Amino acid sequence: GAGVSQSPRYKVAKRGQDVALRCDPISGHVSLFWYQQALGQGPEFLTYFQNEAQLDKSGLPSDRFFAERPEGSVSTLKIQRTQQEDSAVYLCASSLYTGELFFGEGSRLTVL
Amino acid sequence: RKEVEQDPGPFNVPEGATVAFNCTYSNSASQSFFWYRQDCRKEPKLLMSVYSSGNEDGRFTAQLNRASQYISLLIRDSKLSDSATYLCVIKEGGKLIFGQGTELSVKP
Repeated sequence: GAGVSQSPRYKVAKRGQDVALRCDPISGHVSLFWYQQALGQGPEFLTYFQNEAQLDKSGLPSDRFFAERPEGSVSTLKIQRTQQEDSAVYLCASSLYTGELFFGEGSRLTVL
Repeated sequence: RKEVEQDPGPFNVPEGATVAFNCTYSNSASQSFFWYRQDCRKEPKLLMSVYSSGNEDGRFTAQLNRASQYISLLIRDSKLSDSATYLCVIKEGGKLIFGQGTELSVKP
């Protein structure tokens, strides 16, 4: 489809495992954002890219979280040594510049 | 203090009611303002932008008061399909900051 695509939709990880979440933005969208949403809360900003440049990573909760967008299109959010508090929905969004954000359906991570 | 604060609700209203949501933000340098809507277990979607002069889109009216750092959303003649969480959003630099969201439940 033409929307933002995220995979996997659901991921169950054992505590201590590494996970990688993928985001395919809308073609031609320059800006790409990652958000973390816990149950009953609004999306919390993690990081954003303009093309391949990571312009702001102030929301990443710890150095276990790492995001990349090497060719200015697909992005990967990696979480190392997962902890239970990492359980959340990870939302990816893209925009033409920084106008309206178009979100994917999210990747729901459960850490046991 | 969170950058964007909203009453989490839930607001339970009958069909046809008028309901108002409020939001305050802490950074006076915030540049742009929006309301997003999020259905249960779905992704957020833009409902409307908020302009200083106030703006209306059908049954929805948004207001911004920069001096008080306050944003509002008014929904008139509410429908069952309006049931959702309404997220107040501000733009700072290049990023959007979301509030906690206000849950609305419209009952028959």
